[in-house]
Amino acid sequence: QLQLQESGPGLLKPSETLSLTCTVSGGSISSSSDYWGWFRQPPGKGLEWIVSVYYSGSTYYNPSLKSRVTISVDSSKSQFSLKLSSVTAADTAVYYCARPGGQRANYGGLYYWGQGILVTVSS
Amino acid sequence: IQMTQSPSSVSASVGDRVAITCRASQDISRWLAWYQQKPGKAPKLLISAASSLQSGVPSRFSGSGSGTDFTLTISSLQPEDFATYYCQQAKSFPLTFGGGTKVEIK
Repeated sequence: QLQLQESGPGLLKPSETLSLTCTVSGGSISSSSDYWGWFRQPPGKGLEWIVSVYYSGSTYYNPSLKSRVTISVDSSKSQFSLKLSSVTAADTAVYYCARPGGQRANYGGLYYWGQGILVTVSS
Repeated sequence: IQMTQSPSSVSASVGDRVAITCRASQDISRWLAWYQQKPGKAPKLLISAASSLQSGVPSRFSGSGSGTDFTLTISSLQPEDFATYYCQQAKSFPLTFGGGTKVEIK
């Protein structure tokens, strides 16, 4: 069973760069035709997609965040990482990594999720 | 593609039938997923391809619709079903979610 786990700092100051890593276990990060993605959820609010990357290298960004987002994949460590630059209080959220799977996986339902990591931006 | 969910909240009793609707701003065929989220937990995929129930999800949950209008129905609400539900379109990037429906105890 595929498992995902986020890691990284939980507290940042405004203007710093958020760096999170998602470690994949129970399966290969390089064998899937599906994407690996990052999502976030501000406290008390809904879900927002940030970015998705296919192992082939194709990458898709949320247009509202694209200028600040970098994503990378390290297959040797079974990890993919998110960087979000110039953070503000508005970037305070629980950040999740996720991947499609389950029944009718080709329809893109996000079956695999990390447990989430709260990142707070405060001076 | 904008996803509009309604209602934003619903108060219901155990045993009630609850329906949550999701409307897409353009045709997404059956590229629609439903999630359940409980406080402090990651979303859980309930239904993909608009109506395909995930393994282990109780049969009281069902999904219907195609094109732009979709519905998640809980046929007989159970105590463990009180949570927030989200729809998500998976047809194209940028991926988008509905605003959520909180199902509360009446």
